[in-house]
Amino acid sequence: DIQMTQSPSSLSASVGDRVTITCRASQSISTYLNWYQQKPGKAPKLLIYGASSLQTGVPSRFSGSGSGTDFTLTINSLQPEDFATYYCQQSYSTSVAFGGGTKVEIK
Amino acid sequence: EVQLLESGGGLVQPGGSLRLSCAASGFTFSSYAMNWVRQAPGKGLEWVSSISNIGYSTDYADSVKGRFTISRDNSKNTLYLQMNSLRADDTAVYYCAKEPNGYPPYNWFDSWGQGTLVTVSS
Repeated sequence: DIQMTQSPSSLSASVGDRVTITCRASQSISTYLNWYQQKPGKAPKLLIYGASSLQTGVPSRFSGSGSGTDFTLTINSLQPEDFATYYCQQSYSTSVAFGGGTKVEIK
Repeated sequence: EVQLLESGGGLVQPGGSLRLSCAASGFTFSSYAMNWVRQAPGKGLEWVSSISNIGYSTDYADSVKGRFTISRDNSKNTLYLQMNSLRADDTAVYYCAKEPNGYPPYNWFDSWGQGTLVTVSS
């Protein structure tokens, strides 16, 4: 099975900062990589699919990049509503796997 | 607007059974693959099971294979998860999640329900 590793597991940032979250797959998954945002007590929300495609309605300050085994989610100019936990997820195989999550907290 | 509404969660004893439902609206249910994803308290997301748009193809995580059964009734726009031989480590919020395609599966999720809590405890 493909394992997904996110780093860091948590970070502190200020409003207006640029934030980068990394996700690594245990084997090549081409661009079959998706990113979700989850706020406390709420369901996850799709942000990015296919490594770099922005889901409809998601602000353009979110962007994704990468291919193969290494991927990045970038949030430009962090906003108050962006403080949440972010998960990567591989869709290369039918045995879907999520990363462990990155909690973005207010500094 | 896509709406997914889970129900059927609750407290069950170890070894017991429970059936979860997910009522869908706002889209043509029979055109899309559906999934169950769970989240243990304070933990990350874990995919549980998937089913293709007309139900011919299903898949399960190793952790639930042989104990859980996914199904759907397209005439009722409803997804199900039959959970048998429940264990304490099945305790989680269970989300139903829609895929952007029917078949073959894309294995990612563009809409999610609000979740239903399953607690397995004596």
